[in-house]
Amino acid sequence: GAVVSQHPSWVICKSGTSVKIECRSLDFQATTMFWYRQFPKQSLMLMATSNEGSKATYEQGVEKDKFLINHASLTLSTLTVTSAHPEDSSFYICSARDPAGVQPQHFGDGTRLSIL
Amino acid sequence: GESVGLHLPTLSVQEGDNSIINCAYSNSASDYFIWYKQESGKGPQFIIDIRSNMDKRQGQRVTVLLNKTVKHLSLQIAATQPGDSAVYFCADDFSGGGADGLTFGKGTHLIIQP
Repeated sequence: GAVVSQHPSWVICKSGTSVKIECRSLDFQATTMFWYRQFPKQSLMLMATSNEGSKATYEQGVEKDKFLINHASLTLSTLTVTSAHPEDSSFYICSARDPAGVQPQHFGDGTRLSIL
Repeated sequence: GESVGLHLPTLSVQEGDNSIINCAYSNSASDYFIWYKQESGKGPQFIIDIRSNMDKRQGQRVTVLLNKTVKHLSLQIAATQPGDSAVYFCADDFSGGGADGLTFGKGTHLIIQP
C-alpha cells in the first residue's frame, strides 16, 4: 500500500537553530502534501498545504517565514523550522494526497521536535 | 467557522465489549468524513470513511454512522481487543477528495481493560 515516510522521527536541538523535516511519498506521486502540528494530548492542526512547483499555502496564524516549506519534486516536501524556540517543540506530521488511492491522504509517522 | 469535536476525551471499555465513539461537526456543507486511529508516537491511521449520501458504512469490526440532521457521526468498534487502545479522531475533508487539509476533532482516548 501507499507509504509516506518522514525523517527524522525525533530531533533535539538548541534554541535558535533551524531544523529540516522531510516527507516522502514512497510509491506514488504526490502533487499535494500537507503539514500538521500536534501538541501533547491535543488534536492535529493543519499548518500548511504544500503544492509541487508552487508556493505553499499557510493556515491563518502560521508564520510562513518561520516554517519554510519546499515541494520541489512529486515525492518530497520539506518543512524547515527556522530559528526554533522551545515553544516550537511539537509533533509535526505530514500527509500526502493520493488521488488514485482509496484513502484521500496518507500520513507519515511524524517527527518529534524538542527545542532546548 | 468549521469545527469538528468529540464528546468524550476518554472511553474505557472491557475487552470483548463494543465501544462507541461520538463526533459532532458544525458545517452543514461538509460531506466527507474520516475516522482515524492514532497510536502513541505515530501518525494517524485510516479506519473508515463515509460520504454524506450514506448514513451507515461497515468495515471489519467497525461501523460508522452519520446523522446529517443533527450533524453527528459515530464510530462503533465491535468486540474490542487490546490492540484497539489508541486515540481516535474524526476528521472532515471539506474538499471531498483530499485536495484540502483535514479538520480534525479533539480525539477520544479509547482504553481497553483486560
